[in-house]
Amino acid sequence: QVQLVESGGGVVQPGGSLRLSCAASGFTFSSYGMHWVRQAPGKGLEWVAFIRYDGSNKYYADSVKGRFTISRDNSKNTLYLQMNSLRAEDTAVYYCAKDTSIIVALYYFDYWGQGTLVTVSS
Amino acid sequence: DIQMTQSPSSLSASVGDRVTITCRASQGISNSLAWYQQKPGKAPKLLLYAASRLESGVPSRFSGSGSGTDYTLTISSLQPEDFATYYCQQYYSTPAFGGGTKVEIK
Repeated sequence: QVQLVESGGGVVQPGGSLRLSCAASGFTFSSYGMHWVRQAPGKGLEWVAFIRYDGSNKYYADSVKGRFTISRDNSKNTLYLQMNSLRAEDTAVYYCAKDTSIIVALYYFDYWGQGTLVTVSS
Repeated sequence: DIQMTQSPSSLSASVGDRVTITCRASQGISNSLAWYQQKPGKAPKLLLYAASRLESGVPSRFSGSGSGTDYTLTISSLQPEDFATYYCQQYYSTPAFGGGTKVEIK
């Protein structure tokens, strides 16, 4: 069965950096685009970033562009999110999510991880 | 960017009630709409996609309809396990979610 397990969350000071990981199993990771979606405490969902199945294309929400970098290692079945210049408003649970469509992404999500909490606070 | 507006933001209903949630896009999205259910402390779960197509394993009491800018999620007979928050999401362009509708027990 499909499993997505995030790690790397924690407390970081404003301006700091953090790298999230998402270990995938139960499907052919190298054939699917992957996303990060976040949810601030008590708030709704916000799409953050996408990476194509082969890593050749990456897209970001305007709110994180230039600060966050999505990447993947298909040999390790792992997705990453490097977060720099963190702000208080980046505080959220970060979910990795699998795109529903093989090869050609459709930008909706059929499997989600359990999430990892990032808290930006001094 | 396309904005998604959900209504109501919350509702109270009883087991067995018919419940309808509305999602409006700021421009036409050609049925590129998904619905998710989220329970407290859990990840969202995909219910429907392409506005009206039921994801595998989702009970048939969930249905979706709509076109253009206006879409609805209907739960035909609310069950105890359906009390949750529901989100719409357009994937016609940069993915965007509605603000959510919390379905509570009356």
